[in-house]
Amino acid sequence: KNEVEQSPQNLTAQEGEFITINCSYSVGISALHWLQQHPGGGIVSLFMLSSGKKKHGRLIATINIQEKHSSLHITASHPRDSAVYICAVSRASGSRLTFGEGTQLTVNP
Amino acid sequence: DADVTQTPRNRITKTGKRIMLECSQTKGHDRMYWYRQDPGLGLQLIYYSFDVKDINKGEISDGYSVSRQAQAKFSLSLESAIPNQTALYFCATSDSGTTTHDEQFFGPGTRLTVL
Repeated sequence: KNEVEQSPQNLTAQEGEFITINCSYSVGISALHWLQQHPGGGIVSLFMLSSGKKKHGRLIATINIQEKHSSLHITASHPRDSAVYICAVSRASGSRLTFGEGTQLTVNP
Repeated sequence: DADVTQTPRNRITKTGKRIMLECSQTKGHDRMYWYRQDPGLGLQLIYYSFDVKDINKGEISDGYSVSRQAQAKFSLSLESAIPNQTALYFCATSDSGTTTHDEQFFGPGTRLTVL
């Protein structure tokens, strides 16, 4: 069993839909990261959080430390949101990241 | 200009050849990482370096070596490439001196094909 698991692996939505991607982890962490990988391959950091909720534009990330679970929400989805979304955890301050396998999101017009 | 650059961006080579992938950063970060990504798998750590004199093996270091020539440069070598090293390779950096020191910044990736 992977230490970081994401669901679903693939997700197809229509433009405008509310999207949720889930991440569960099995180890103690200091922070959880959500990353976005564009179709061209580049990876950018969306959020880093250790508690509660963060919001940036149409993206919202939440984490429940007790349940070892995080969600990434996209409101009013758009075709440009189509990408692979990757969850990663860091176990101790300044340590290496452990990555989930990613969720391929496709938003159709 | 990109803060983390990788060269080459694409490379096709043959089995047995020596290959070097280079990573440079202008972010002034002390920590650098090399990952590989295979279809359907998460990013896997090959090597990481927390400063110029510190080199550490990651999860899948066999068949790879690295060199940290300067704080800004971290190279990955495949001494004798084999087909199952065909993958997308990413370099990343992070800064130990900030409150967000776990956040990593990725290069654009190098697509390597070993025939």
